[in-house]
Amino acid sequence: KAGVTQTPRYLIKTRGQQVTLSCSPISGHRSVSWYQQTPGQGLQFLFEYFSETQRNKGNFPGRFSGRQFSNSRSEMNVSTLELGDSALYLCASSVGQSGIKTEAFFGQGTRLTVV
Amino acid sequence: AQSVTQLDSQVPVFEEAPVELRCNYSSSVSVYLFWYVQYPNQGLQLLLKYLSGSTLVKGINGFEAEFNKSQTSFHLRKPSVHISDTAEYFCAVSDRGAQKLVFGQGTRLTINP
Repeated sequence: KAGVTQTPRYLIKTRGQQVTLSCSPISGHRSVSWYQQTPGQGLQFLFEYFSETQRNKGNFPGRFSGRQFSNSRSEMNVSTLELGDSALYLCASSVGQSGIKTEAFFGQGTRLTVV
Repeated sequence: AQSVTQLDSQVPVFEEAPVELRCNYSSSVSVYLFWYVQYPNQGLQLLLKYLSGSTLVKGINGFEAEFNKSQTSFHLRKPSVHISDTAEYFCAVSDRGAQKLVFGQGTRLTINP
């Protein structure tokens, strides 16, 4: 079956702009989580959605937001981009609400560069 | 709050040699433990996980890990590495029932011929 699909794979944006990243989970998976990966901070949890509701949020400013649609696809938005937002953004999907007992499948990520 | 410490940022080994990647965690509650591998320009792939039961966990590609509750450790081992094992390895922890993963900083494994 198809894996987690993240689009686009690469993105270059200018400071101050906003950006939307997309994640299509594995069919049947209802939970989607987002992570930011940078060389300095490593992998950090952004937020998690289940059945269109945000269940958990990491320690990121309000410029980072997300949503989940009824088909479980998720988007994350970053407004007023800063240079420090340059990172690999990873999406992970899992089966359900106790999803941590099952595997979290990661997409290949979206590489965002802010110039 | 949970935290994960991967004790080595880089580990160079020769091909066919054994390797151990070290991971310690801190948490006030019972946890699940994971090891993920990341190849260049790729996402994360699960190697193995500890949820409960036997403290020795076997994963894919010949890797195994041992959960040691008293030492709060979850070290990853492979008896004989291959060039294709060159990658970055991440240890992660989550609260039981929670979806959020807390990752270590990663260990870059380099295999020399």
